[in-house]
Amino acid sequence: QVQLQESGPGLVKPSGTLSLTCAVSGGSISSSNWWSWVRQPPGKGLEWIGEIYHSGSTNYNPSLKSRVTISVDKSKNQFSLKLSSVTAADTAVYYCARLSIVVVPAAMSCWFDPWGQGTLVTVSS
Amino acid sequence: QSALTQPASVSGSPGQSITISCTGTSSDVGSYNLVSWYQQHPGKAPKLMIYEGSKRPSGVSNRFSGSKSGNTASLTISGLQAEDEADYYCCSYAGSSTGYVFGTGTKVTVL
Repeated sequence: QVQLQESGPGLVKPSGTLSLTCAVSGGSISSSNWWSWVRQPPGKGLEWIGEIYHSGSTNYNPSLKSRVTISVDKSKNQFSLKLSSVTAADTAVYYCARLSIVVVPAAMSCWFDPWGQGTLVTVSS
Repeated sequence: QSALTQPASVSGSPGQSITISCTGTSSDVGSYNLVSWYQQHPGKAPKLMIYEGSKRPSGVSNRFSGSKSGNTASLTISGLQAEDEADYYCCSYAGSSTGYVFGTGTKVTVL
């Protein structure tokens, strides 16, 4: 089955750029799914960051849009997250996840599955 | 876009049933969008429990069920077990300009 694994620096300096990669195994990133990033500050809830399709199409959380870039590398079967101008408020566990979307009569359904194990990124000098 | 509203905590004794609510607006939960539900144990990644509002992935116990009425979706856990003690989150699509919103999260305690 599909598995996801995040990787990247665990410590980023304030005003710097957070960079993470999610490697997809057991399936192709070119399948009919979107691929997402979700984060969770310590002790808090989940926040959707953005998504990318294998074609390169992206959608971002409007609250983060000015600082976020998500890209895909089909040759390596992975996708990446860059978050610029980080502050302590960006300290969180960052998860990558596959997003499935189904449009049924008069309804739309979406769900995140599977998820990577998550990686803690701390913003500190 | 605000997070969907969930009760901060719900508790129950083993064997009992509990229900977690997820209240949104006509722009998300109420707008023909089917909610998904996630279980998260401490230090672990979220796990999909319900999708398309009421469907269970393979391997998820049939003690978990989902429903929706108007702007509120609900997750019911029947026959509560100690292993069900975890945080639970709902999620809904909220339109092209907003994307996806999660609930505030509910901590389930098995007494």
